[in-house]
Amino acid sequence: AQSVTQPDIHITVSEGASLELRCNYSYGATPYLFWYVQSPGQGLQLLLKYFSGDTLVQGIKGFEAEFKRSQSSFNLRKPSVHWSDAAEYFCAVGRVSGGYNKLIFGAGTRLAVHP
Amino acid sequence: GAGVSQSPSNKVTEKGKDVELRCDPISGHTALYWYRQSLGQGLEFLIYFQGNSAPDKSGLPSDRFSAERTGGSVSTLTIQRTQQEDSAVYLCASSFQAGSVTDTQYFGPGTRLTVL
Repeated sequence: AQSVTQPDIHITVSEGASLELRCNYSYGATPYLFWYVQSPGQGLQLLLKYFSGDTLVQGIKGFEAEFKRSQSSFNLRKPSVHWSDAAEYFCAVGRVSGGYNKLIFGAGTRLAVHP
Repeated sequence: GAGVSQSPSNKVTEKGKDVELRCDPISGHTALYWYRQSLGQGLEFLIYFQGNSAPDKSGLPSDRFSAERTGGSVSTLTIQRTQQEDSAVYLCASSFQAGSVTDTQYFGPGTRLTVL
């Protein structure tokens, strides 16, 4: 069965520091991968997605993610974190099943940013 | 509007009461989804609509939960005889072309339900 693991429940970084949020997936075929961000009291906003092609994907707000098939990973990175990046981040894998792209989400990583 | 909207944003109810949660998808999106996000949990899929029909209801946790969609647009999630374990944030999402592998779901701000 498909699954997504986000090993870090909570991460704290200093403003200006680099960030990497880990995501590992379990899926038998070519995965379709997504990162969403949820700010406090808000819905989920799509940061970036990977379907095929270049394994380094650029997203909004200066985020990028790299798909590594050999490691079954899709880690999210940002070179310099801003205080406004404090939020919860969700990785998801999608597959077309039953006529639609079914998303399986990880449990999320909550990011805190210290000034 | 430009995005998915949900109402109410917050709902407090007493145990045993019925509640209705509303979702307005992005105009032109034929697919609509409901998810539940319980405290400290990830997102749990509830139901998927294509047009007005629901091909996948597999995530509805009990027969107290039901949903409908009318006119291929607005959807209502109804919870009957609410229980305290129903307390959660209920998120709605919509997408343009559900059968495509490149289809992307766009989420609303959610309804926070508290059952006392």
